[in-house]
Amino acid sequence: DADVTQTPRNRITKTGKRIMLECSQTKGHDRMYWYRQDPGLGLRLIYYSFDVKDINKGEISDGYSVSRQAQAKFSLSLESAIPNQTALYFCATSDPTGGGDTDTQYFGPGTRLTVL
Amino acid sequence: AQKVTQAQTEISVVEKEDVTLDCVYETRDTTYYLFWYKQPPSGELVFLIRRNSFDEQNEISGRYSWNFQKSTSSFNFTITASQVVDSAVYFCALSEKGGSEKLVFGKGTKLTVNP
Repeated sequence: DADVTQTPRNRITKTGKRIMLECSQTKGHDRMYWYRQDPGLGLRLIYYSFDVKDINKGEISDGYSVSRQAQAKFSLSLESAIPNQTALYFCATSDPTGGGDTDTQYFGPGTRLTVL
Repeated sequence: AQKVTQAQTEISVVEKEDVTLDCVYETRDTTYYLFWYKQPPSGELVFLIRRNSFDEQNEISGRYSWNFQKSTSSFNFTITASQVVDSAVYFCALSEKGGSEKLVFGKGTKLTVNP
C-alpha cells in the first residue's frame, strides 16, 4: 500500500462549487504539505502543517483553506472553485527527525482537478 | 530569497546517450538541502536524491550521478547510457533549514529518450 494517498485522483467540478481534496499518510510523519503544479511553473506551496495545531500559509494560499484532522490526515478545500484553480495538486509529508532522511518530502500520487 | 533555475526546458536524446540536467540555485542560508525528483508520464513525483549543503561529495547510483558544486551554486544530474524509461520531467528543488523547510522547485526539465 502507498505511504501517501490522495483522494480523489481526478475531479471535474464547476465554478463556484466547494471541493475538498484529502490526503492520508501511513509514514508517521508530523509535517504535511499541499502543493499545486501548473504546466511550466513547477510546484508551488499552498499550505503546510508541522503538526495538528500548527498550520501555515504558503506562497499561494488565497482561495484555499486546510484542515489537519489528525497527524495522518491533511485536507485542502476550495471554498468556491474558479477555473484558474485547475491544476495538479500534490500532498507531501516529511519527518524533521528522520536522521539521514530528514526533511525529505515524499509525495502522494496527485489529484488532477478541473474547474469548468 | 530562494530560487532554483533549470535552464533546460526540454532535452531530447537517443537511447544510450549520456545526458546532463542542469540546476542552479540561490540561497542566503548556509544550511540547506538540494533534491532531485522525477515525474514520469504517469504523474507521480519520485524522490531521487537529497544532498545537504555541507556534503559536496559527488554521488553515483547506478546510471545516475550528481555533481554538487557550491562554488557555482550548481547541482547537476547526469544519466549515463540513457534508456527510454528515463523519459520524464525532472525537478530540482531546494529547502532551507530552520524555516518552513518548504521545497522551492525549479520549473523542471522534460527529458525525452528516443529508441
